Amino acid sequence: SQQGEEDPQALSIQEGENATMNCSYKTSINNLQWYRQNSGRGLVHLILIRSNEREKHSGRLRVTLDTSKKSSSLLITASRAADTASYFCATAESGTYKYIFGTGTRLKVLA
Amino acid sequence: KAGVTQTPRYLIKTRGQQVTLSCSPISGHRSVSWYQQTPGQGLQFLFEYFSETQRNKGNFPGRFSGRQFSNSRSEMNVSTLELGDSALYLCASSLVGEQGYTFGSGTRLTVV
Repeated sequence: SQQGEEDPQALSIQEGENATMNCSYKTSINNLQWYRQNSGRGLVHLILIRSNEREKHSGRLRVTLDTSKKSSSLLITASRAADTASYFCATAESGTYKYIFGTGTRLKVLA
Repeated sequence: KAGVTQTPRYLIKTRGQQVTLSCSPISGHRSVSWYQQTPGQGLQFLFEYFSETQRNKGNFPGRFSGRQFSNSRSEMNVSTLELGDSALYLCASSLVGEQGYTFGSGTRLTVV
């Protein structure tokens, strides 16, 4: 079964707006990672947040992690057309290196 | 520095044949993971190697196998290909496996 599930499955917003996507997972983890994928190409690592961190920023990205709820959110501020992509969260059960990806959120940013 | 290189980029095979895909990780990276991506199943974990040892394995049949060489390069093999094996196969490397992974562009396999 999927370790991570993202919602919404799809999101369409106007350029300049913020985009928020959520991820839920099932087991205890050491860290949670977010990736972006453009149109069937390889994935690009965006940000990693450790289980003892609650929030992390990287440029226009803000990630939060709530280990009590086993959930994370990714916020992209001031979105651009170039942010159009699928976004995935990935987690591995503590003690393993088996990173499982969620089903992804397809983000479309309209110019 | 060079990224993760996967070869070939595209491959067309016939049912029943076997195929070998190659992955060269970023220099110094010792952990290599493989994923299968399809529209219906999404990204499915195949296996992860570290220093030539398979540390983790996904829920795929024994037709799917892999290995890692002493220079960290990795190969995966699929025997007796089925139509359902058509997918994008992605390889990713990491220093030790707990940091973010760098992905290759993938090998798109089509089984006819």
